[in-house]
Amino acid sequence: EPEVTQTPSHQVTQMGQEVILRCVPISNHLYFYWYRQILGQKVEFLVSFYNNEISEKSEIFDDQFSVERPDGSNFTLKIRSTKLEDSAMYFCATLLSGQSYEQYFGPGTRLTVT
Amino acid sequence: DQQVKQNSPSLSVQEGRISILNCDYTNSMFDYFLWYKKYPAEGPTFLISISSIKDKNEDGRFTVFLNKSAKHLSLHIVPSQPGDSAVYFCAASRGTGGGADGLTFGKGTHLIIQP
Repeated sequence: EPEVTQTPSHQVTQMGQEVILRCVPISNHLYFYWYRQILGQKVEFLVSFYNNEISEKSEIFDDQFSVERPDGSNFTLKIRSTKLEDSAMYFCATLLSGQSYEQYFGPGTRLTVT
Repeated sequence: DQQVKQNSPSLSVQEGRISILNCDYTNSMFDYFLWYKKYPAEGPTFLISISSIKDKNEDGRFTVFLNKSAKHLSLHIVPSQPGDSAVYFCAASRGTGGGADGLTFGKGTHLIIQP
């Protein structure tokens, strides 16, 4: 069964450094998302992406964050200058089409900012 | 701002019995609801969903009920099995963005199935 994959599974970085989290969506899915879950809290929507541009973003998704799909395969989330509070699990999700609602999630990347 | 609320952080149920997980929402714009199951160190796995035009959707052992007037939904698992032990998230979508909408999640309920 096709699945969303994410790399790395765990990333440790120092405060102020840039990180790039990678996701390979399910091949025929058209919509891509990033979510995060801070330890002990709920899963929060960050951004949605369709047709090579951002469709919607939450207030969490500020100028420190950016997304792109540089090679038509990987979907990436970049955090320009990490802060301690960026430590969280980051989940990529994909959706088949605009007529469906069932988003499929990857296993997540645990980001630890020290 | 908790637009989706799961008021029970945990629930313990005996194997073979029915598990009922509850979810309330406040945003009237939500019109599609999903349940996800999550094991530790894994991403959420889609379980079952329901559109606001329905009041029930069934898939095997899993049934979701929606009471739109009460802004309440519930997930019934019967019979409960040990493999059902996981955290269950209720999520909602406004459904107006044609795929652009992010899901709004509740905090989750940790279901523990006791043998």
